[in-house]
Amino acid sequence: KQEVTQIPAALSVPEGENLVLNCSFTDSAIYNLQWFRQDPGKGLTSLLLIQSSQREQTSGRLNASLDKSSGRSTLYIAASQPGDSATYLCAVVMRFGAGTRLTVKP
Amino acid sequence: DTGVSQDPRHKITKRGQNVTFRCDPISEHNRLYWYRQTLGQGPEFLTYFQNEAQLEKSRLLSDRFSAERPKGSFSTLEIQRTEQGDSAMYLCASSLAFFWATGSLLSTDTQYFGPGTRLTVL
Repeated sequence: KQEVTQIPAALSVPEGENLVLNCSFTDSAIYNLQWFRQDPGKGLTSLLLIQSSQREQTSGRLNASLDKSSGRSTLYIAASQPGDSATYLCAVVMRFGAGTRLTVKP
Repeated sequence: DTGVSQDPRHKITKRGQNVTFRCDPISEHNRLYWYRQTLGQGPEFLTYFQNEAQLEKSRLLSDRFSAERPKGSFSTLEIQRTEQGDSAMYLCASSLAFFWATGSLLSTDTQYFGPGTRLTVL
């Protein structure tokens, strides 16, 4: 059974800082991995999708990496802004982690 | 296309009543997923469809829950004899799946989520 873990559970950083969110999964036989953002009381917004054959994906200030052999993915956010404050969720196909709640302080 | 839509957005019901939720996916998507999310947790997988076929159902899902996608387009999720523990946000998502000529799965594209239906059982 696939289990997805995200560390840390919460993170608070000052504006402008670069940061890394971590996701680990137990079964490396995956088709893809997806990172989402969720604002309080809202639905999920897709940020990046990494197919199993890829090592990383980039979109603007976001970069996600995938290492299937070690069962890990990271989401790198450059030059963080207060608008980045949200919960970030990692999903391996249909299994989600509990998320990392990010707060970026002005 | 306006994305994935869900109806209703909010539902308040009394314990023991039946409720039904509807999800309209992005029109060309062949996969549709249902999840449940409680406060502070990530979405929990409930079930998914490939076209009209229900391919997987979570073992955590009791017999009170049933889902259909009769024509491979919209889907409904019904909860019978609701309990207070059913109170949660119910999320629907859709995606496009790609297959080899043999029929085995090649990959799936991005999952797009609807806004959710918030269920409160009194």
